[in-house]
Amino acid sequence: DAGVIQSPRHEVTEMGQEVTLRCKPISGHDYLFWYRQTMMRGLELLIYFNNNVPIDDSGMPEDRFSAKMPNASFSTLKIQPSEPRDSAVYFCASSPGLALSTDTQYFGPGTRLTVL
Amino acid sequence: QQPVQSPQAVILREGEDAVINCSSSKALYSVHWYRQKHGEAPVFLMILLKGGEQKGHDKISASFNEKKQQSSLYLTASQLSYSGTYFCGTGQYNFNKFYFGSGTKLNVKP
Repeated sequence: DAGVIQSPRHEVTEMGQEVTLRCKPISGHDYLFWYRQTMMRGLELLIYFNNNVPIDDSGMPEDRFSAKMPNASFSTLKIQPSEPRDSAVYFCASSPGLALSTDTQYFGPGTRLTVL
Repeated sequence: QQPVQSPQAVILREGEDAVINCSSSKALYSVHWYRQKHGEAPVFLMILLKGGEQKGHDKISASFNEKKQQSSLYLTASQLSYSGTYFCGTGQYNFNKFYFGSGTKLNVKP
C-alpha cells in the first residue's frame, strides 16, 4: 500500500490567500484525522472524520479553517484567508477504524505551509 | 486535557537506558506511543489499553497504570536510531477525544 498521501508537500503563500491541503487516506481506513504541528503548540488534532462524516471539529482554530471529506478516498483542509500564524506542518492520518482510542494512526508525510 | 510528558528532553550515550513518562488528569482508556524523527511524520510504536498492561517492542517497552492515569516508555540499551521525539497520545473513555502530549526529545550520542 502507498500509505497516506498528502499534497502539496510544501506550500508558500501570501497572507490573505486561500490554501487547500489534500489528503488520500489508506484504502479501507474508516477514520481520517487532520493535525497541525508547530514548535509552540505541538501536535494538535484539528478535526477527524469517521466514514466521511466529521465527528469532532473542536480543534479547528477558527472559522477560517474548514475541512471536507466528499468520499472515502479524499479529504481537504482549507484555510481562507490565510495568516502568518497558520504557518505549520499539517499532517493527515488515517486509521482502520475500530475506535478512536484503540487504533493505530498512520500519518502522511505532511504539508509544510508557510504564510508570508 | 493534553497529557503531560516528562522529561522534555533527554541526552543519552549509546547503550544507556531512558524512561519517558506520560500522565493525564483525565481517566484514560488507552495510551499510544509514537516516535517522530526530524523532518518526518510520527510513526506508531505501540498502544496500551486499560487494565494495567505492559508491552514490549524489541528493546522498547511501555507500561500503563490506569489507576494513576500514567504511562511510561522504557528504552533499554539505546541505539543511535532511537533518537527522535517521542509522543504519547491518550484516548479517553468517551472515545471521541484524543490528545497528544507535547513530546520528549531524545538524543542518543555515540
